[in-house]
Amino acid sequence: EPEVTQTPSHQVTQMGQEVILRCVPISNHLYFYWYRQILGQKVEFLVSFYNNEISEKSEIFDDQFSVERPDGSNFTLKIRSTKLEDSAMYFCASSEDRPYEQYFGPGTRLTVT
Amino acid sequence: KNEVEQSPQNLTAQEGEFITINCSYSVGISALHWLQQHPGGGIVSLFMLSSGKKKHGRLIATINIQEKHSSLHITASHPRDSAVYICAVRSDTGNQFYFGTGTSLTVIP
Repeated sequence: EPEVTQTPSHQVTQMGQEVILRCVPISNHLYFYWYRQILGQKVEFLVSFYNNEISEKSEIFDDQFSVERPDGSNFTLKIRSTKLEDSAMYFCASSEDRPYEQYFGPGTRLTVT
Repeated sequence: KNEVEQSPQNLTAQEGEFITINCSYSVGISALHWLQQHPGGGIVSLFMLSSGKKKHGRLIATINIQEKHSSLHITASHPRDSAVYICAVRSDTGNQFYFGTGTSLTVIP
């Protein structure tokens, strides 16, 4: 069964460094999403992406964040200058079309020290 | 402000019991999702609903759009159902998503 994959599974970085989290969505899916979950808290929506542009973003998704689909398969989330409060699990998801069910990746745990 | 509220927050059940988890939301929605988060953190989508009722195996999800309420039912619960169940809604004004805080379910053999 096709699945969403994410790399790395765990990333440790120092405050102020840039990180890129990578996702490979399911191949025929058109919508892509990033979510984050700070330890012990609820999942939060960051951004949705369609047709090579952001279709919606939350208040959390400020200028520190950017997303890109650099080729036909990868979908990346970049955090330019990480802060301690960016430590969280980041989930990527994709869906075949907008009102369709989303498939989640296993997550990347980001630890900022 | 919480756009999505779930109840109960925690639930312990004996194996075989019928379980209900509730979700209420305050925004206009185009779809509601029920998700399952395993102890290891992985998230699995269980249902996406915009009206009525859906059933997968022992899981049933219902939604009442007028009352802005959804329920997830698990029949004949099993210890492997132990997980956090999350309700999430997609707003009808865009592709924005709001999540509940989750219901932590423990099913005891």
